[in-house]
This record gives sequence, C-alpha cells and structure tokens, in this order.
Amino acid sequence: DQQVKQNSPSLSVQEGRISILNCDYTNSMFDYFLWYKKYPAEGPTFLISISSIKDKNEDGRFTVFLNKSAKHLSLHIVPSQPGDSAVYFCAAPVTGGGNKLTFGTGTQLKVEL
Amino acid sequence: EPEVTQTPSHQVTQMGQEVILRCVPISNHLYFYWYRQILGQKVEFLVSFYNNEISEKSEIFDDQFSVERPDGSNFTLKIRSTKLEDSAMYFCASTGGRTYEQYFGPGTRLTVT
Repeated sequence: DQQVKQNSPSLSVQEGRISILNCDYTNSMFDYFLWYKKYPAEGPTFLISISSIKDKNEDGRFTVFLNKSAKHLSLHIVPSQPGDSAVYFCAAPVTGGGNKLTFGTGTQLKVEL
Repeated sequence: EPEVTQTPSHQVTQMGQEVILRCVPISNHLYFYWYRQILGQKVEFLVSFYNNEISEKSEIFDDQFSVERPDGSNFTLKIRSTKLEDSAMYFCASTGGRTYEQYFGPGTRLTVT
C-alpha cells in the first residue's frame, strides 16, 4: 500500500541553501497533505499542511507546493539550518472512519555547516 | 503548549507476555490513534478511537491488540501475547477533529525478546 511515496531516502544540503523534499501520491481522492518532521527517539512533529484547493502554503521558512495534475508535492526549506536535520515525512489523511494518516517512507535531511 | 505524553519510553518484554502502553492525549482532543514504526520502515496506522469506540483498525490490529480509554485522560494500547515482530516504536496521536493535523507523543520503544 504505497499511496504516498518519497523516493529520496536522503538529502544533504549546505546551511543557508534551499532544501527541497519531494513526495508523490497515487490516490486522487486525497484532498489534504501534511508534512511532519521527526528527530531520533522523538515522535513526528507537525510542520505544515496544504489543502488541495491551494497550490502553495507558506509558513516562515517552510513552503509546501502542490501539483495536483502531477500528483506531486514538495516542501521547500529556505534558508536551511543545521537544526532542520531530521527525517521528513509527507502524509495524507484517508477520509472516512477515523481519518487515519498514511505516511511516506521519509527523507533524511542533513544540513551541513 | 499542550502535548501528548506516553509511558513508558522503553519497554522490554519476553515473547508471549502482555504489555500495556499508555498515552495521555491533549486534553480537549476527541480522536485518538495508535501508530507504530518498525525500525527502518514507515510509520503505519494501527487503530483510531472516537466516542469510546474503535472507528477504524488496520490489518495489523488483530485480536492480540486492544485499546481502552479507562478514564477521561488515559488512552491505552494492550498487546495480549507479544511476538518478536511486535518490536517497534509505538506512537500515540490525537486531534481535536476540526483539522486533519494529528499531534504525536514521543513514542514507546517496545522490545520483545
């Protein structure tokens, strides 16, 4: 059940540059997407979300872009900081029932000095 | 800022033993979830709970698993007879229901030997 896919297991960027994390989905019924950040030995922390009625949502250094026709979303972090080093998951709620989240496999971001 | 808490942080148990993982969701939240993450794999949904009953469960959530909200604050996951393959990080999450954002606890690392 790979409804949400993150094809890059890792990404390394220099401090101050842009980080771009990608996510693809297969279920055209998804109408909302979320990004979570996870540090080792901690739970996922909600970062930013986007509704399918929008194609962009911005919150400080974080911007999520949604391309519905391509079934693709991306998270941009600019400028990247060493504290951003973490695993980033994209997720989508499966509506109906309890609105469970289905997660991608995650991308390990490393921001280097 | 309110947060989801989980206890214990680490539980070691022998195969066949019962374990209870405990969670205190955010106080005004109405929907509660358990997820797990086996080492190196993605976060996967186990069960959702609303209005004192299970609203949805995954294929993983078989008869060995049960959930309970014994009082107004705690939300527990019980595994009746643990197996080696139950070793994972277990995350509790909650949401108020007005949005799709779920807030996760720090997790319980369950090790079955």
